[in-house]
Amino acid sequence: ETGVTQSPTHLIKTRGQQVTLRCSSQSGHNTVSWYQQALGQGPQFIFQYYREEENGRGNFPPRFSGLQFPNYSSELNVNALELDDSALYLCASSPGTVPNSPLHFGNGTRLTVT
Amino acid sequence: RKEVEQDPGPFNVPEGATVAFNCTYSNSASQSFFWYRQDCRKEPKLLMSVYSSGNEDGRFTAQLNRASQYISLLIRDSKLSDSATYLCVVTLFPGNQFYFGTGTSLTVIP
Repeated sequence: ETGVTQSPTHLIKTRGQQVTLRCSSQSGHNTVSWYQQALGQGPQFIFQYYREEENGRGNFPPRFSGLQFPNYSSELNVNALELDDSALYLCASSPGTVPNSPLHFGNGTRLTVT
Repeated sequence: RKEVEQDPGPFNVPEGATVAFNCTYSNSASQSFFWYRQDCRKEPKLLMSVYSSGNEDGRFTAQLNRASQYISLLIRDSKLSDSATYLCVVTLFPGNQFYFGTGTSLTVIP
């Protein structure tokens, strides 16, 4: 069984640029969630996708957007990067038909904005 | 007000000690509860789910007190490999959004 994979593992961008992060969900999982974890903080919910539709969103501005594809893989796009966007971005998948099942995270993408 | 509050620690304990972490949550409608473990610069990994009746997994015991809205994790006979950050997590149904605490740092000392 293939777990959640994310790419790239590290990324350095300049303020104002745009970034796309990618996630492949665990086999059999149709729900993907994205979280942002700043240094010293717990992960914060960005949004969730279920069957290619956004299914919940946390307190993040519209410049954070996403997509889910028919194979349930997902992208997180961040426009107009700010210094505070520097964080570990975590993708997690879950079987959408099982409410409240635990999240299984990928290794994360560490984004540094300079 | 944060959904989940944890004492950030750090907790520094000798090998073999017993250590307990507590976590409180603000929404009485919270449905599911978990403890995750996170090693430095790694992703969080599920340690255990927390059930209403309490549950044990080897040296780890989790308790839930719905009336007081807190969750606890007890680690017995601490090992050096237990050194990590422990994250308390709650969910609200039907959104299934996971709310994480800031984590409690544990260092087990030889």
